[in-house]
Amino acid sequence: NAGVMQNPRHLVRRRGQEARLRCSPMKGHSHVYWYRQLPEEGLKFMVYLQKENIIDESGMPKERFSAEFPKEGPSILRIQQVVRGDSAAYFCASSEGQGAFFGQGTRLTVV
Amino acid sequence: GNSVTQMEGPVTLSEEAFLTINCTYTATGYPSLFWYVQYPGEGLQLLLKATKADDKGSNKGFEATYRKETTSFHLEKGSVQVSDSAVYFCALSDATNAGKSTFGDGTTLTVKP
Repeated sequence: NAGVMQNPRHLVRRRGQEARLRCSPMKGHSHVYWYRQLPEEGLKFMVYLQKENIIDESGMPKERFSAEFPKEGPSILRIQQVVRGDSAAYFCASSEGQGAFFGQGTRLTVV
Repeated sequence: GNSVTQMEGPVTLSEEAFLTINCTYTATGYPSLFWYVQYPGEGLQLLLKATKADDKGSNKGFEATYRKETTSFHLEKGSVQVSDSAVYFCALSDATNAGKSTFGDGTTLTVKP
């Protein structure tokens, strides 16, 4: 049973470009969570999705960020017109009950 | 809202020393409590958890007890190893939504031989 799979592991984007981060939850999990970890900080919740629905986006920045979890395929976190402050590690987690299983993260660097 | 406060690091210990990393929390209701470990360049791994007051979570020699009266969940290990060097995160979640967690800022542990 594969764990939570995220890709790419590392992503470099120039300012103004778009970044797309992918997350495939554990087999059988239909709840996906995205977190952002800034350098030297803990993880901050961004958004919670179930298949085809956004359940809680209280941690998402109001502009440039969006997330989806289609019926087929991975969950996508999309960041438009990236800025240097978007440089961080983005983690995806999936859950079907107690506790969450995390992917290895995507480290986004904006140059 | 929910919050988690962790002992500030970094913490440096010699091999076989006793480890305590303090964690206190603020939450409404009865949250579940977790410790996660993050090795360099890796994601988070669940280390242990406790879902109700007085529960003790344990794994790989680490322990933490859910203390509702002091709103604490301190992480302990009797004898650390070099391989325990990592960042440790305390976290809580509502019992009804395990995946949405509030994390502390992490404590970096370095164990020297």
